[in-house]
Amino acid sequence: GENVEQHPSTLSVQEGDSAVIKCTYSDSASNYFPWYKQELGKRPQLIIDIRSNVGEKKDQRIAVTLNKTAKHFSLHITETQPEDSAVYFCAASIRGSGTYKYIFGTGTRLKVLA
Amino acid sequence: DAGVIQSPRHEVTEMGQEVTLRCKPISGHNSLFWYRQTMMRGLELLIYFNNNVPIDDSGMPEDRFSAKMPNASFSTLKIQPSEPRDSAVYFCASRDRVETQYFGPGTRLLVL
Repeated sequence: GENVEQHPSTLSVQEGDSAVIKCTYSDSASNYFPWYKQELGKRPQLIIDIRSNVGEKKDQRIAVTLNKTAKHFSLHITETQPEDSAVYFCAASIRGSGTYKYIFGTGTRLKVLA
Repeated sequence: DAGVIQSPRHEVTEMGQEVTLRCKPISGHNSLFWYRQTMMRGLELLIYFNNNVPIDDSGMPEDRFSAKMPNASFSTLKIQPSEPRDSAVYFCASRDRVETQYFGPGTRLLVL
């Protein structure tokens, strides 16, 4: 069935180090992969996304890579800062009737230690 | 733009009572999604609409849950009767024809 697996579930890094979160998806027709950041008590907010015709995308300290053959994609955060501490969710698009739905991973709780 | 609006922001009710959650999507967005978030199950898609028509309600946990979208600017999620295991944060999200999906602030529901 439709599934997105996300690892690790928790991740602690020292401030300034890099963090990597990995996701795999099951539907080979998925063609859009957003990443959301959720701070404690707040709503998920889009931080970066990638489409299936692109292998990598960067936005300042964050980047996402996509391997369609292996059906996995990753979020990379460099030079981590305490404000990067949050829960991060990956998602993959699934075609519905006239639109898409997103299947979310189970989330990664990132802690950046000062 | 005010973004996706949800009400109430917090709801505390007793088991067996009816609960109605409300959502106003971003103007011009044609797809609307209801999610439930818990520590145990993460972010679950309950139901979604396209152009006010329900497309997929396979995530609705039981017949006690129902959702409507009578027009492009309003949707409701109803739980009747409510149970303690329904306690969660319920998010509404909307999206236009581009892929970016915006979440509302959520409704924190506690069923005693």
